Amino acid sequence: AQSVTQLGSHVSVSEGALVLLRCNYSSSVPPYLFWYVQYPNQGLQLLLKYTTGATLVKGINGFEAEFKKSETSFHLTKPSAHMSDAAEYFCAVSLHINTGTASKLTFGTGTRLQVTL
Amino acid sequence: DVKVTQSSRYLVKRTGEKVFLECVQDMDHENMFWYRQDPGLGLRLIYFSYDVKMKEKGDIPEGYSVSREKKERFSLILESASTNQTSMYLCASSLIGGEAFFGQGTRLTVV
Repeated sequence: AQSVTQLGSHVSVSEGALVLLRCNYSSSVPPYLFWYVQYPNQGLQLLLKYTTGATLVKGINGFEAEFKKSETSFHLTKPSAHMSDAAEYFCAVSLHINTGTASKLTFGTGTRLQVTL
Repeated sequence: DVKVTQSSRYLVKRTGEKVFLECVQDMDHENMFWYRQDPGLGLRLIYFSYDVKMKEKGDIPEGYSVSREKKERFSLILESASTNQTSMYLCASSLIGGEAFFGQGTRLTVV
């Protein structure tokens, strides 16, 4: 079984401040982890992903996330928020399963990021 | 560019109607998914499929069925639409363990 918990349905930061969006997962096998962004009236777009290897992953638009197995976390950060970062962010987990079986992709409930002047 | 195309952007149906939502992907992906998105609930998985004619229930399959007769096409069927199925429906496809690519969504209203 797998699940994703995103702490905080709404986060507000000032422009130029650090962005930290929290994601914790549960998984019985090594996970693949993803962060997606959804701008108003648009589909979901991949920000970054972790599969194997380096635990610090860099994505688009200056975002990065660190896979911490001991904490079962995959928090998303950006050093300096920009007004254009206002959107909804979703963390997702997929299990590291070999061929012949399904790869269920489970999402968290999302965090809406507000950026203020 | 990967493309996932959903047949309708907006749909209005009457209670009790049978509704078909179609999704086509052009990247030969094994996996395809149907989610519904509701405010405060995020994306909830309805059904997914990892091969032609193979399907698995997601977290909220009740009231829905799916069909995958060809690798590129994954259809979601509402056997008898109800008002609580009013929602945004998102289709996605992926390689095994890979990132999911999403369609633009179908906003379904059941009246």
